[in-house]
Amino acid sequence: GQQLNQSPQSMFIQEGEDVSMNCTSSSIFNTWLWYKQDPGEGPVLLIALYKAGELTSNGRLTAQFGITRKDSFLNISASIPSDVGIYFCAGSLGAGSYQLTFGKGTKLSVIP
Amino acid sequence: GAVVSQHPSWVICKSGTSVKIECRSLDFQATTMFWYRQFPKQSLMLMATSNEGSKATYEQGVEKDKFLINHASLTLSTLTVTSAHPEDSSFYICSASPDGYGYTFGSGTRLTVV
Repeated sequence: GQQLNQSPQSMFIQEGEDVSMNCTSSSIFNTWLWYKQDPGEGPVLLIALYKAGELTSNGRLTAQFGITRKDSFLNISASIPSDVGIYFCAGSLGAGSYQLTFGKGTKLSVIP
Repeated sequence: GAVVSQHPSWVICKSGTSVKIECRSLDFQATTMFWYRQFPKQSLMLMATSNEGSKATYEQGVEKDKFLINHASLTLSTLTVTSAHPEDSSFYICSASPDGYGYTFGSGTRLTVV
């Protein structure tokens, strides 16, 4: 089946630094989604990407849908302590096939 | 918009009993909802796809008689863990989408079987 490789697995950064994480797939997705999960909570959608090459921002977050449709990255600029959490990428084949395939997550720690 | 409510947020039950978890779409209708299971420090694992008015579709390796899913209305899906055992202890999360693209997740249910 489809698998998503998400990296890095974890990262420690200083407050104020920029962060980058990415996901790659062995097969094509038509939708890429980025989620953040806090402990004991469900994932919260950060950014949704629907078109190859699309670059979308949400505040300090920017994500891109790779041209090959097999990868996506998420950048966080000027990190703050509340950015701490686990970030998941997820891919979907889109309308008609609603299932999401998740990456294994990137655990982000921000040092004040 | 696109709010999904999950209840309860946590539950402790005795081994051998059954537990029901509810997932509601509050401001949209969802013909399809999804149930995930998440082990500590791991990603979400899709258990089943809940289809309104028809049988759920289970992923390989998920026991349909153990995890009963009922999607009786366009805003409610339930997951019942039957004859629960300690190995069923986990974090269960549902999700739904108003348009088949962006998916909203519930806040999850922490099940502990003692």
